[in-house]
Amino acid sequence: QKEVEQDPGPLSVPEGAIVSLNCTYSNSAFQYFMWYRQYSRKGPELLMYTYSSGNKEDGRFTAQVDKSSKYISLFIRDSQPSDSATYLCAMSLPYSNYQLIWGAGTKLIIKP
Amino acid sequence: DVKVTQSSRYLVKRTGEKVFLECVQDMDHENMFWYRQDPGLGLRLIYFSYDVKMKEKGDIPEGYSVSREKKERFSLILESASTNQTSMYLCASSSFRSNQPQHFGDGTRLSIL
Repeated sequence: QKEVEQDPGPLSVPEGAIVSLNCTYSNSAFQYFMWYRQYSRKGPELLMYTYSSGNKEDGRFTAQVDKSSKYISLFIRDSQPSDSATYLCAMSLPYSNYQLIWGAGTKLIIKP
Repeated sequence: DVKVTQSSRYLVKRTGEKVFLECVQDMDHENMFWYRQDPGLGLRLIYFSYDVKMKEKGDIPEGYSVSREKKERFSLILESASTNQTSMYLCASSSFRSNQPQHFGDGTRLSIL
């Protein structure tokens, strides 16, 4: 079993829909959680960075961490065709200065 | 903004060649990383470096080596390229402080023929 599980998709939704992307993990010691967005033929770019449980909002994006369920989510409101990309989750242990554990990424397609 | 620059976007090499991939970051970050990314396998760490001349093996170091002679520059070396090293290679950097996010370059798509 992988430490971080992420549905590869593709997930196809109409423009304007609310998108929910998810990762589950097995190690309850993870404390830091990240979402990256990767456009085709580009490197991943940091989208959201959260510590421990709770929600964090940035514009149309909300990151949610449920440590009791070992489950993290990224919500995208009012989705746009420009949101079409692969979304990767990553997480790390406390006091780790390098080791990120990655999900395999979910490909998202927003249809105009 | 953090800028991580990889010297080549696309590279085609032949089996058995020695291949150099270069990466430069401009944020004075202590940590630098090399990953490869393959469909369905996600990001896999090859090597990372936390200081000049220091290196640590990642999850898949076999067939690779690295060099870090200056803080801003981290090189990945394929000693004798093989077809199974055809992949997307991504360089990243981060601050030495614990649990800082990593910042990526745009990758080098390497084909070994």
